[in-house]
This record gives sequence, structure tokens and C-alpha cells, in this order.
Amino acid sequence: DADVTQTPRNRITKTGKRIMLECSQTKGHDRMYWYRQDPGLGLRLIYYSFDVKDINKGEISDGYSVSRQAQAKFSLSLESAIPNQTALYFCATSAVGVTGELFFGEGSRLTVL
Amino acid sequence: GENVEQHPSTLSVQEGDSAVIKCTYSDSASNYFPWYKQELGKRPQLIIDIRSNVGEKKDQRIAVTLNKTAKHFSLHITETQPEDSAVYFCAAAYSGGGADGLTFGKGTHLIIQP
Repeated sequence: DADVTQTPRNRITKTGKRIMLECSQTKGHDRMYWYRQDPGLGLRLIYYSFDVKDINKGEISDGYSVSRQAQAKFSLSLESAIPNQTALYFCATSAVGVTGELFFGEGSRLTVL
Repeated sequence: GENVEQHPSTLSVQEGDSAVIKCTYSDSASNYFPWYKQELGKRPQLIIDIRSNVGEKKDQRIAVTLNKTAKHFSLHITETQPEDSAVYFCAAAYSGGGADGLTFGKGTHLIIQP
């Protein structure tokens, strides 16, 4: 079954550490996204990518960077993690972009101490 | 940019009753309005969406209505069942601006009381 896979699923780290969250998909979609979910704040867009050469900032990109290594892989990095980056992170893909269905991964729960 | 407000944040209804969740949006150019359901510990999944060229769309027990003039849209769930318990997110987007990514509301936790 075509899917969106995130690793790690859970991670606890310390302030100042570099963290990478990885996303891979077998759906064959060009568009990939990273969202952050906080209780009571909904889902907020961090970065999105139309293809390997096209990466764009979303609503809350400060403190994050991304890399689109291939059509199927999109990773999110926190260069120097801080406690307020503690959240549930979702990768998502879409075949047609903003007016098409988003297919989410299972989420990566990050805790920064 | 777009701003989406969602109400209520928590909604408790008796099993079998109807539930209504409301959202307003700020950008009159927005033309796509999906609803996502997130069960506890699971990923969000699309349950229904509506585009600005229609006023209502139904799929079995769920329906969405859109009022472009007032810039609000609503999710209606009839004959609620225990499996409807979840967090529901509305969202809005404009397809013609070249940008991408949905703007989500903050979510409604729907609780179905037995």
C-alpha cells in the first residue's frame, strides 16, 4: 500500500542539539509538506516543496530547514533545538497541490528538554 | 495571509444527535475548503471538501455548507456514532496564487456521549 513514512516516530533531545526528521513516500506525489501540530493551535505549515528544485517557506519556518533529497524524500532539520519546538510533526504529500487531498504520515513526536 | 477561525473548540453531543462545527475565513480569494478528521493518536485524514463554486456537498452522514458572502463554512454530522469521536480541522486555500499549503483552523474536539 502506497504510504507516507516518518522516522523517528518519537524523539527526546536536549536544547541545542541538531535533529533531523525524515519523510519518505511511495505515493509518487511531487508535492511534499512539513506541518507542526500543537495542542489548541491546529496544524501549521513549516515548509513545502513542489519538486526537488523548488522549496518554499511556510507560515512558521524560522528555526527550521529542509532538504528534498529525491522526489520521494523530504527531511526537516532543527539546527539547534529549543524547548518551544516540542511538538508533533507531520509530513504530508499531495498529487495536485493546495486543492487536492493531503496524505499525512503517522507523525513524529519531538520533545526538547 | 489567510486566517481561519474554528468554533467550538470542544463539542459534546449524545450519540444519535447531530453535530455542527463552524469555520470562518478571512481571504475572500480562498476557493477550496477541506475538512480533516484526526482520531486519537492517528494522522489527519480528509473526510470531505468543498470548492467555492458550490454551496453544499453531502457524503452519507456528513455534509459541508459554504457561504461565500459571509466567508464561513460548516461541517454537519447527523446521527452521530461513537466512531465520530475525534478532532476535526477545517482549512482554507486559494488555488490560483502560486503558493501552496492549507491554512488550518485550530480544531474541534468532538465527543460522542453514549
